[in-house]
Amino acid sequence: EAQVTQNPRYLITVTGKKLTVTCSQNMNHEYMSWYRQDPGLGLRQIYYSMNVEVTDKGDVPEGYKVSRKEKRNFPLILESPSPNQTSLYFCASSYGPASGYTFGSGTRLTVV
Amino acid sequence: GEDVEQSLFLSVREGDSSVINCTYTDSSSTYLYWYKQEPGAGLQLLTYIFSNMDMKQDQRLTVLLNKKDKHLSLRIADTQTGDSAIYFCAESVTGSNYQLIWGAGTKLIIKP
Repeated sequence: EAQVTQNPRYLITVTGKKLTVTCSQNMNHEYMSWYRQDPGLGLRQIYYSMNVEVTDKGDVPEGYKVSRKEKRNFPLILESPSPNQTSLYFCASSYGPASGYTFGSGTRLTVV
Repeated sequence: GEDVEQSLFLSVREGDSSVINCTYTDSSSTYLYWYKQEPGAGLQLLTYIFSNMDMKQDQRLTVLLNKKDKHLSLRIADTQTGDSAIYFCAESVTGSNYQLIWGAGTKLIIKP
């Protein structure tokens, strides 16, 4: 089944403790992206990647890192999480504009 | 900069038609999209319309595009309880095959 898989689905952590949210797609998509979703703000893009070793900042990149060493994987790294990074995070991938994005199921992160 | 606006809530009676509206600012957008997010899930592509079209119909869904007014609408005929979700409008960024600008989402509430 074609899908984007994110792990974990839920995560509670403490301020300053480094964490990684994994994202993997099995559709051979070149484009991958990370979003955060907050009530009333819709989706805000954190980082995106057009291909292996090609990443770029989105609208809200501060406090986040990404890497794209393989086409299928695009992990999101929070080196020193803070409470304002408490949010619902989505990974997405795309083949092209007419196919739209395929989204993962989301990771709900709480930083205390 | 570019912006996409939607109302935050829409309430309709079961069996009626729902019309969700969206306005956008980038007149050069090539693709405009509607995504659906059910509770606890990621977003899924409902439909899209190419900028040279005025209307697209797919079963119970009708998308209308008014390029002059930069207005996009999604009509859901015979609304059912399963249509309860948040609906996001998005426009493609000029010159990019992948980047999208998102609205904040409209929560569709179905009354029995």
